[in-house]
Amino acid sequence: EVQLVESGGGLVKPGGSLRLTCTGSGLSFRSYNMDWVRQAPGRGLEWVSDISASGSTIHYADSVKGRFTISRDNAKNSLYLQMNSLRPEDTAVYYCAIEMTAFDFWGQGTLVTVSS
Amino acid sequence: DIVMTQSPDSLAVSLGERATINCKSSQSVTYSSNNKNYLAWYQQKPGQPPKLLIYWSSTRESGVPDRFSGSGSGTDFTLTISTLLADDVAVYYCQQYYNTPYTFGQGTKLEIK
Repeated sequence: EVQLVESGGGLVKPGGSLRLTCTGSGLSFRSYNMDWVRQAPGRGLEWVSDISASGSTIHYADSVKGRFTISRDNAKNSLYLQMNSLRPEDTAVYYCAIEMTAFDFWGQGTLVTVSS
Repeated sequence: DIVMTQSPDSLAVSLGERATINCKSSQSVTYSSNNKNYLAWYQQKPGQPPKLLIYWSSTRESGVPDRFSGSGSGTDFTLTISTLLADDVAVYYCQQYYNTPYTFGQGTKLEIK
């Protein structure tokens, strides 16, 4: 059974930093591109970033470019999102997802709240 | 960026009836080299992550009931639930994965009439 588990969310002040982790099991993690998607409270889905299977190709949404950094460690079956210079509008549940065809499997999400 | 627009924003359908949700992209999401439509549909229930229902615009994910079907190509797509069950109450999103930034529609909230 494929499982993705996010961790690292929490309450942070504006301008602060957080590092999210997504750990996968039940799949060949190193074979697939991975993504971060977020959902602000009561809102729709917003794609944040993706990283290729090898880690060589990365893309970001304009809303996070220059502030967030995606990375992965295939030996640890882990995906990361380093979030710096956080803003109140970054408050959301952050999901990791795996790309097999589309976004085939999602984690349960981790809540990030940016507030003073 | 490709803008995805769903209609309607909300929909109330009687149990056993058909539900239809539309999705329009601001540019084609059909890749000419393989003729595949890079369009997916997701179902999200309260407090849960999205669940992939349909990919390549019309291919059902494993385990998804056959009352769910997808159609369309180019810029116009449709998700149809042929016979609505109470368990289908959810928000439905379309998504293009043709190019980054991958973009989602705003969501359609499906309720029971």
